[in-house]
Amino acid sequence: QVQLLESGPGLVKPSETLSLTCTVSGGSVSSGSYYWNWIRQPPGKGLEWIGYIHYSGRTNYSPSLKSRVTISLETSKNHFSLRLSSVTAADTALYYCARGTIVALEFDPWGQGTLVTVSS
Amino acid sequence: NFMLTQPHSVSESPGKTVTISCTRNSGSIASNYVQWYQQRPGSAPTNVIYENRERPSGVPDRFSGSIDSSSNSASLTISGLKTEDEADYYCQSYDTSNHVIFGGGTKVTV
Repeated sequence: QVQLLESGPGLVKPSETLSLTCTVSGGSVSSGSYYWNWIRQPPGKGLEWIGYIHYSGRTNYSPSLKSRVTISLETSKNHFSLRLSSVTAADTALYYCARGTIVALEFDPWGQGTLVTVSS
Repeated sequence: NFMLTQPHSVSESPGKTVTISCTRNSGSIASNYVQWYQQRPGSAPTNVIYENRERPSGVPDRFSGSIDSSSNSASLTISGLKTEDEADYYCQSYDTSNHVIFGGGTKVTV
């Protein structure tokens, strides 16, 4: 079955850029039926959608993060990536990647999540 | 844009039934599909209901979803509660620009 796995630095300094990668196994990021999403969860808080990318290259970002977010796709490596610039402590969170259906934006499966802490 | 509002917490005894509401504050709840996710402590969320009322394979039929246009809300009902159902539950939908919106989450205590 399809599995997703996040990877990247667990500690980022304030004002720097957070970069994470989500590697997909058991399926292809080139499938036209899905969006590839990033979602985050601050410690002890709820879920916040960051954005998605489709294999066509089309992206869609949360309005609240749009100015700082870039999501890209690398089909040759079957992975997609997140870059979040000018981070602050408020960006400290568990970051998840998830596959979303085009029909209903239902997220399944999710990665296990990776904790990113913003601190000097 | 709109918001999805869930009760902060609900509590019920094993074997009983609990219903979690998810109220949309503007626009029709029927306009866009609603999904529900279960998140156990220390784990990633998993989908328990998609497209308002559909159950993914492997999810017990004790879990059911519905929408109610009169109250402009979606509901997740868990019947025959088990201790393993103790978790946070999130509703999720999207707007006309395909921006995804999550409810604030409901802690279910069994």
